[in-house]
Formats: sequence, structure tokens, C-alpha cells
Amino acid sequence: NAGVTQTPKFRVLKTGQSMTLLCAQDMNHEYMYWYRQDPGMGLRLIHYSVGEGTTAKGEVPDGYNVSRLKKQNFLLGLESAAPSQTSVYFCASNYGDRVNYGYTFGSGTRLTVV
Amino acid sequence: AQSVTQLGSHVSVSEGALVLLRCNYSSSVPPYLFWYVQYPNQGLQLLLKYTSAATLVKGINGFEAEFKKSETSFHLTKPSAHMSDAAEYFCAVSDQGNAGNMLTFGGGTRLMVKP
Repeated sequence: NAGVTQTPKFRVLKTGQSMTLLCAQDMNHEYMYWYRQDPGMGLRLIHYSVGEGTTAKGEVPDGYNVSRLKKQNFLLGLESAAPSQTSVYFCASNYGDRVNYGYTFGSGTRLTVV
Repeated sequence: AQSVTQLGSHVSVSEGALVLLRCNYSSSVPPYLFWYVQYPNQGLQLLLKYTSAATLVKGINGFEAEFKKSETSFHLTKPSAHMSDAAEYFCAVSDQGNAGNMLTFGGGTRLMVKP
């Protein structure tokens, strides 16, 4: 029962480098999300997707891009990393059904940009 | 825009004492409300949720929360704290009619349990 799997779990980048964070879910969820977690600020939504081939901006989208080419995968890209993007990144998914509402979260990716 | 306030970034209780974690939201329409728990180096797990049914909601691990519309609050309680309850707790809300089912999270409250 994998649920939501994030790779990598840890990464250190130099300023200006690029990378892609992968999120994979095996629950046939329609909706997927990328959040970042910073101390005292809770989780803030970066981008989300309501289905394969669709993406939309969240609260803090600048500096990030996403793609949802397959229903089970949601990729988060950093084209030119900045120290302000040092954070813990969480992927989440849900069915999209309003009654059965809870998110399933991955275990996170801790990213440090130096 | 929806906002969530969690009073107290850190709460410390003794084992066996009452746990009370506060959450207030801003919305003119009762939203969907959630409490999540995060243990160290893990993702968030759903504790309980309010979705317009009973105002007193029971969750896992003995936690419960009461939705009070007049106070725009959704405080989390547990009658007797256990050492294993030490974690960070997040309150989250989602507006009805929110097409993306997006959640807005509070800043989190770290619960410490003293022996």
C-alpha cells in the first residue's frame, strides 16, 4: 500500500541549478497538489491539478512549474533554484469527490538551496 | 481569501492532562474543516474532518473537535494526553464551491507532552 510516493527525499542544490521533484500515487486519485512547508507558515499551495493534462496555480507559484502527463504522476520543477526555495515540499492527492474529502500526503522532500 | 489562525505555535501539557489546540477561520459561509497531524519527518495524516454534519466530530487517537459557527472556531481537544501525541497539528479549511478542493492551512501548533 504505497499511497503517495515522493522522490527524492533529500536534495541539496546550488543557486541557479534546476531539478524535478516526482510525486506518484497509486490510488487512482483525480486531484493532486504540491505544497511547501516553512516554519510558522503552515503549508502553502504551489500548484495543483484536477486531472491528467491539467494544472493550475496556487498561492505561491512563482519559480515553479508542474506537469501532469499521466494521472498517477505530478512533477514539480525548479528551473533556477534560489535560496528562498529552501523548504520541505509535500505532494498530496485526493479523489475529487466532495463527500470523501481527505488528502493523502507523501512523506516530503527536504530541499536546501545554497 | 480564506485564512486560518492557530493560536499558540507551541503548546506544552503534562501526560494525562487535557489537550486543547485552537483554530479559528475566516469565512462568511461555513467551510469544510480539518485537523491534520504531522509526526517528525513524516507527511500529514488526517485526524478528523467537519463536512456539515454533526458539529462535534470524533477522530482517531481519541481526538475530537467542535465546530462553532458563532465563534468561527474548530478547536481540537483530547481529554488525556499521551506521550505519543507529541507532534505538530495543523488546522485546514476549504470553501464550499472550491472547484479544486484546495485546502488552506494554519501555521501549525507543536504539541509537547511532558512525563
